[in-house]
Amino acid sequence: DAEITQSPRHKITETGRQVTLACHQTWNHNNMFWYRQDLGHGLRLIHYSYGVQDTNKGEVSDGYSVSRSNTEDLPLTLESAASSQTSVYFCASSESTLGEQYFGPGTRLTVT
Amino acid sequence: DQQVKQNSPSLSVQEGRISILNCDYTNSMFDYFLWYKKYPAEGPTFLISISSIKDKNEDGRFTVFLNKSAKHLSLHIVPSQPGDSAVYFCAASGGGGSTLGRLYFGRGTQLTVWP
Repeated sequence: DAEITQSPRHKITETGRQVTLACHQTWNHNNMFWYRQDLGHGLRLIHYSYGVQDTNKGEVSDGYSVSRSNTEDLPLTLESAASSQTSVYFCASSESTLGEQYFGPGTRLTVT
Repeated sequence: DQQVKQNSPSLSVQEGRISILNCDYTNSMFDYFLWYKKYPAEGPTFLISISSIKDKNEDGRFTVFLNKSAKHLSLHIVPSQPGDSAVYFCAASGGGGSTLGRLYFGRGTQLTVWP
């Protein structure tokens, strides 16, 4: 069955380190998204991509970057992790620009 | 600036009764609305959606109502079951241009259904 996976599921890192969170989907969806979920803020969009080589900033993109070299993967990189980036991160994908998005299981990141 | 608002962070309902979750939005360009359900330690899962050309969409125990003039939508769950206990997120999309395909989420409402 087609699916969307994230790895690792849990990560603890130190302030200042570079961290990359993986997202892989097998639906062949063109659209992929990264969100973070924090108490009191709901889901906030970090970056998104409409296809290979396309990336766009969301509402909370500072300190994060993404690259899209193929359809299946959209890795999220924290260039220099900060304690404010402790959060749960969700990747999502969608087939159409008007349709629902399908979410991965999430990565819980702790920056100490 | 929160374009999608869920003003009730929590809702508690007895099993068998109706649960009504509310959502307001500010952007009149939104034309597609969705509800997601989220259990702890899992990703959000799509529940039901509605296009702006409709005012109601029903799927089993779940019905979404849209009032465009009030920029308000609601999710009704009848009858509520303990397995419905989860966080419910309202989301909206539309407007074209650079916002195409983006979902704007509310902060979520924790629904608890007690026996």
